Amino acid sequence: TQLLEQSPQFLSIQEGENLTVYCNSSSVFSSLQWYRQEPGEGPVLLVTVVTGGEVKKLKRLTFQFGDARKDSSLHITAAQPGDTGLYLCAPRYSSASKIIFGSGTRLSIRP
Amino acid sequence: GAGVSQSPSNKVTEKGKDVELRCDPISGHTALYWYRQSLGQGLEFLIYFQGNSAPDKSGLPSDRFSAERTGGSVSTLTIQRTQQEDSAVYLCASSLLASGLAGSYEQYFGPGTRLTVT
Repeated sequence: TQLLEQSPQFLSIQEGENLTVYCNSSSVFSSLQWYRQEPGEGPVLLVTVVTGGEVKKLKRLTFQFGDARKDSSLHITAAQPGDTGLYLCAPRYSSASKIIFGSGTRLSIRP
Repeated sequence: GAGVSQSPSNKVTEKGKDVELRCDPISGHTALYWYRQSLGQGLEFLIYFQGNSAPDKSGLPSDRFSAERTGGSVSTLTIQRTQQEDSAVYLCASSLLASGLAGSYEQYFGPGTRLTVT
């Protein structure tokens, strides 16, 4: 049984600050996706990472896939109110399996 | 259509009644997923379809829950004899495939159906 944990569960910071959220598993990922969900909407895919140690940037968002393929992080630089939402990591444990969603980090950015 | 659509957007029902929730996936997507999301929580997997068959029903919480997919397209999630603990947002997603290389299994979500059981 794979254990998947996202931390922190909740994060409230001031506009302009930097932050990092984490996704950790007890098992090795085949690949991992990050989604963001805004209130009243379904999750939207942000990025897919497939290679251990991989770093991807999406404007002010930087995604890292751990070397051991058991963890990932999302770093946001100069957070803006539009970054508010629920950030979900979704790993796959093998190329043949479905993705699993973490419980998410709920991010709130204060103007 | 351009995206995944779900209907109704909101459903209020009395305890004990049956409800049907509908999902129209993106045209050409062979995989379809149902999730449940309680207030402030993450996504709870219910079931997924590859074509019209359901290889994984492991997330259905009880035998009151069932789902079907016809013609490799529209899916219906049925909850019989609804209970108050069934109140949640039910999300549907579709992807090109259920597995395989990156780019083929990214999920596209609908806006959800908010179910309230009174």
